[in-house]
Formats: sequence, structure tokens, C-alpha cells
Amino acid sequence: GAVVSQHPSWVICKSGTSVKIECRSLDFQATTMFWYRQFPKQSLMLMATSNEGSKATYEQGVEKDKFLINHASLTLSTLTVTSAHPEDSSFYICSASAGQGIDGYTFGSGTRLTVV
Amino acid sequence: RKEVEQDPGPFNVPEGATVAFNCTYSNSASQSFFWYRQDCRKEPKLLMSVYSSGNEDGRFTAQLNRASQYISLLIRDSKLSDSATYLCVVKINTGGFKTIFGAGTRLFVKA
Repeated sequence: GAVVSQHPSWVICKSGTSVKIECRSLDFQATTMFWYRQFPKQSLMLMATSNEGSKATYEQGVEKDKFLINHASLTLSTLTVTSAHPEDSSFYICSASAGQGIDGYTFGSGTRLTVV
Repeated sequence: RKEVEQDPGPFNVPEGATVAFNCTYSNSASQSFFWYRQDCRKEPKLLMSVYSSGNEDGRFTAQLNRASQYISLLIRDSKLSDSATYLCVVKINTGGFKTIFGAGTRLFVKA
């Protein structure tokens, strides 16, 4: 089945630094990938839709200059949290679908970010 | 009103019990429906898609009621390993596809 690899699994960084998270589709091409954020005991919230070869589409309230998304190939999307602050600490998850329509999504294993 | 609503629970049931979760959605352009399972501090994993005619996978049965705009998940003969958060997921066709997650229903199965 479709496999999505996400790296790193966890990261601790200092306030003010930037963190890059990678999301790769291993056995399929993904023209679209999705980035979510999940705070403890809350649901996944879609941050942005990453489109290969074009600009990402951000959800309302998500700062595009803070959460930089690059989808340079059909198998890789990256999310960079710039100038991270403690309130950015969260569980970030990417997902992709090997197909459209009725197909479900496969998720990466997530990245737990802690900003100290 | 949230686009996808679930009872957050928690549902505490003994092993062997039957438990049912409901999920309501508000957008009539909702096209595809899924149940995902998420274990603590892990990514969600697809449990099953939900088809119009209803579908069953072992101890799990999913149903869709388009007229009332809700989907359900029934778990029979609950196992300890069924303890998790169950997410209702709806795919909406608004020209492009948009996926909305419910907040999840927490299930604890106890011995």
C-alpha cells in the first residue's frame, strides 16, 4: 500500500530558530500533500495544501511566511517552521493520497516539535 | 456549527461489548467518508472507508445516511486493543477536494 515517510519524528529547538520537516511519498507520486497540526487532545487541523510545482494553499489563520511549504517534486514536500516559538510546539503530520475521489489518505508518522 | 461533529466521549466499555459512534456532517458537497483510528501520540491510520450501501470489515461495520447526513461505526466484541481515538473524516468536493476531520471519539476498552 501507499507509504508516506516523514522526518524527523521529533525535534527540540530553541526559540527563534527554524525547523524543516520532510514528507516523502515512497511508492507513489503525490501531486498534492497536506500538512496538519494537532495539539494535545484536539483534532487534526489542516494547515495547508501543498501542490507540486506551485504555491501552497494555506488555511485561514495560518501564516504563510511562518510556515514555509515547498513541494519541489512529486515525492517530496517540506514544511519549514521559521522563527519558532514555544506556542508552535505541536504534532505536525503530513498526508498524501495515491488517488483522488474516494481514496483515503496515508499519513506520515508525524513530527513532534518542541520549542524551548 | 462545525462541519464534522463527533461525540468526544470517552466511551468506557468492557471487553466483548458492542459500541457505536456517530458522526454528523453539514456540507452537502461531502463526497467521501472514512473512519480513521489514532493511537496516542501516533498518526491516524485508515480503519475503513464508508460506502453508501454500508460495509463491514470483521468486527467493524460502517454505515452512511446521506439523507440525515451522518455516518456511524459499530464495533462488535470489543478488544482491549480497540482502545484508541476514532476520527470521522469527510472529503468535500468544492472544485478541489478538501478533507475535514472530526475531533475524534475516545474509546477505552477495559478488561
